[in-house]
Amino acid sequence: GAGVSQSPSNKVTEKGKDVELRCDPISGHTALYWYRQSLGQGLEFLIYFQGNSAPDKSGLPSDRFSAERTGGSVSTLTIQRTQQEDSAVYLCASSTYGRDSYNEQFFGPGTRLTVL
Amino acid sequence: ELKVEQNPLFLSMQEGKNYTIYCNYSTTSDRLYWYRQDPGKSLESLFVLLSNGAVKQEGRLMASLDTKARLSTLHITAAVHDLSATYFCAVDIGSTDKLIFGTGTRLQVFP
Repeated sequence: GAGVSQSPSNKVTEKGKDVELRCDPISGHTALYWYRQSLGQGLEFLIYFQGNSAPDKSGLPSDRFSAERTGGSVSTLTIQRTQQEDSAVYLCASSTYGRDSYNEQFFGPGTRLTVL
Repeated sequence: ELKVEQNPLFLSMQEGKNYTIYCNYSTTSDRLYWYRQDPGKSLESLFVLLSNGAVKQEGRLMASLDTKARLSTLHITAAVHDLSATYFCAVDIGSTDKLIFGTGTRLQVFP
């Protein structure tokens, strides 16, 4: 079946511009996660959605970062006024995680963001 | 703060040899995951370990979990070039609903 998809695959932007990154999770997966992977920081959690709610936003690095999820499906991560330190690969993952089940997350191909 | 440490960070090994990658974590958890990442690619799930003493094997890779020692191992048997990749362990402590990843071990297998 279809896996997690993300778009765009690559994004180059100028410092100060806003960007939107999109994630389409696996159909039926209620949990959705955003992570960031950079050379200096490794793999970092950003935000978690259960349905359309975000009970854990603790990984968002600043108020320039926001995310939403609609219809329990597609999610958009928005970065406002991008900075060079925002350059990284942004990964989305989804799972069927529930309180009594384990949390095997399936990852999308990522969006490579480069801020010039 | 939960920390997940892997060692070694880089491993260069000859085909046919055996080696073990270690994953230590700093808080109580009974769920641990191993992922593989090829260069320029995303993360592929390898193993899900859900309880103390869990052992799983797939081909030349075998993963185990000791929750009392807060340690997981990924053992490579008779390495082949196709196993060259970066391997990550990750811990799910349940209450946070997120995975905390280790630093990754970059494995390079040469003839």
